[in-house]
Order: sequence, then structure tokens, then C-alpha cells
Amino acid sequence: ILNVEQSPQSLHVQEGDSTNFTCSFPSSNFYALHWYRWETAKSPEALFVMTLNGDEKKKGRISATLNTKEGYSYLYIKGSQPEDSATYLCALTDSWGKLQFGAGTQVVVTP
Amino acid sequence: GAGVSQSPSNKVTEKGKDVELRCDPISGHTALYWYRQSLGQGLEFLIYFQGNSAPDKSGLPSDRFSAERTGGSVSTLTIQRTQQEDSAVYLCASSLALGQGAGGYTFGSGTRLTVV
Repeated sequence: ILNVEQSPQSLHVQEGDSTNFTCSFPSSNFYALHWYRWETAKSPEALFVMTLNGDEKKKGRISATLNTKEGYSYLYIKGSQPEDSATYLCALTDSWGKLQFGAGTQVVVTP
Repeated sequence: GAGVSQSPSNKVTEKGKDVELRCDPISGHTALYWYRQSLGQGLEFLIYFQGNSAPDKSGLPSDRFSAERTGGSVSTLTIQRTQQEDSAVYLCASSLALGQGAGGYTFGSGTRLTVV
């Protein structure tokens, strides 16, 4: 079992502010890291898949970085908007492709 | 269909009853996964199916849980003699093949199960 930890558990952000949060994982036997965005009553939406150390991915105002040597990934939200409110899930896949999720970071953006 | 379809979207059941949750994956996706999220917890792996291979049942929490996938398509997760701790959102996902990364996993919108 891959131990995936996310922090903080929840985050309150003022509209317009930028924020970031962390996903930590064992650096050995790394295969791939996934970020998902999950809004209540909807399907988790794939944001990024990252495989290489130093990878940086961007999608609109959301970006992510990956450090496989030290075992962490950051997700950044620039200029948060109320529609960014969701739970952001980090997951690792092993070589079999099975996703092991962290507990998520719940982001609440207040106008 | 265009996406992964799960039914019902909500289910309230009495303790001790059996429930069946259904997942209709994307056509052509050979890999299918079940996860659940209990209140305050992360997504917990339950079971996956890959083609005709024996499923990986290592995440099923007890022998009250079982799942099958008929004809390599629709899957049913059955919980017998439900308990209150079974209350959770049950998510299904499918992908083209096991380990197909880069966003290859598509999730359904889940079934919210409440055991009273």
C-alpha cells in the first residue's frame, strides 16, 4: 500500500488570493502521480498526471509541480475563484495502475 | 455512453438489508475500479477488474462485500447485511486498460449510500 498524505485537510481562501497545498508520498518505487478535482455530487475530474521529477503542469489558473526524489507534489491555485471550491485529491499509481488516494484537501473560496 | 454511469445516485437503506450498486463503464474500457469515501476519509480502493483476469479483491473490507462484472461491461457491487459503517459514497471508474494513465481513469458521479 502506498502511503499518500495530503495537507492541509481543509483550506479557506479569500476570492482573488492564491494558495497551494501538498501531497507527500514515499519516494521509492514512484510510478505516477495524479491530481483530481472533486466537487460534491459530481465525478472526480482529472487535472494532471505527472511522472517525471521536476515536472510542472498547468491548466488555467491551476498548476502543479513534482519532486519524486523528496516525495512531494504541490498544487497551486492562482487568483482563487468561488468555482475553485472543491476537494483536491492526490493519488499515486503503482506499476499495476491501481490508484492509491490521499484524503484530499478541501478548498473553500469565499467571495 | 459518453461517461461512466452509476445508479442509484442516492440510496437509503435499513441496517441489515442487502444493497446493489451498479456501474456502467465507458464502452471499450477493459479496466473497472470501485472506490468508496467514508465521511472524513480518503478514497479507499475496493476492487478492480481487468478484462477476463481474476479481479483484485484486496480492498474489500469484509465478506459482506462482493462485486461482479458481467460480459466485461456492467459491474454490480453488492453489500449484504448492511451496517452503519458502510455509509459512504461509492465511486466507480473505468479506463482503457489497467494502468492507462494520463487521465485515462474516468469516474462516475457515485452512489451515496446511507444506512439507517
